[in-house]
Amino acid sequence: GENVEQHPSTLSVQEGDSAVIKCTYSDSASNYFPWYKQELGKRPQLIIDIRSNVGEKKDQRIAVTLNKTAKHFSLHITETQPEDSAVYFCAASSLDSSYKLIFGSGTRLLVRP
Amino acid sequence: EAQVTQNPRYLITVTGKKLTVTCSQNMNHEYMSWYRQDPGLGLRQIYYSMNVEVTDKGDVPEGYKVSRKEKRNFPLILESPSPNQTSLYFCASSFPGQTEAFFGQGTRLTVV
Repeated sequence: GENVEQHPSTLSVQEGDSAVIKCTYSDSASNYFPWYKQELGKRPQLIIDIRSNVGEKKDQRIAVTLNKTAKHFSLHITETQPEDSAVYFCAASSLDSSYKLIFGSGTRLLVRP
Repeated sequence: EAQVTQNPRYLITVTGKKLTVTCSQNMNHEYMSWYRQDPGLGLRQIYYSMNVEVTDKGDVPEGYKVSRKEKRNFPLILESPSPNQTSLYFCASSFPGQTEAFFGQGTRLTVV
């Protein structure tokens, strides 16, 4: 089955710097890669997603890149702000089994003011 | 307001005492899932349901049961809870296809 690995497990950056979180997946059938943000004590919420027919997607200060050949995808946050501090989860699924969303282990991002 | 509602939010119970965590969604989603969240392990799928009366095991189903008698409800049942089921549980729902999963508020369960 699918396995998603996520690095780093913790990341501390200065406000205004960029943050990058990386994930790898094992199942070449996976073609949907969402990212969820979980603030302290809250539920995970979708912040951005990418499908395998696209190499990059941006939404204001966040972007996701996908390298299908290497089975890597990454989340990039630019101009980080204290409110970006949270746990971020990557995930993967395939079109044929979209009910099975496999999550990475999470990255705790701390943005220092 | 579109939402997924779990109850209870917090629960402390003793080993072996059957319990049910309820989950209800008002978005007419076909898909529903239960996850457990443990430090360093991310979100692991326990069970999922593709529609009414259609359920299947996820990655960590041992010790859990589910049912889907109505489209909006997907309760998680622990017949004989054990301390290793102490965790934070999330219910989620979505439409078929690669669409956003909406999560409930979470249920923090402690089994002593």
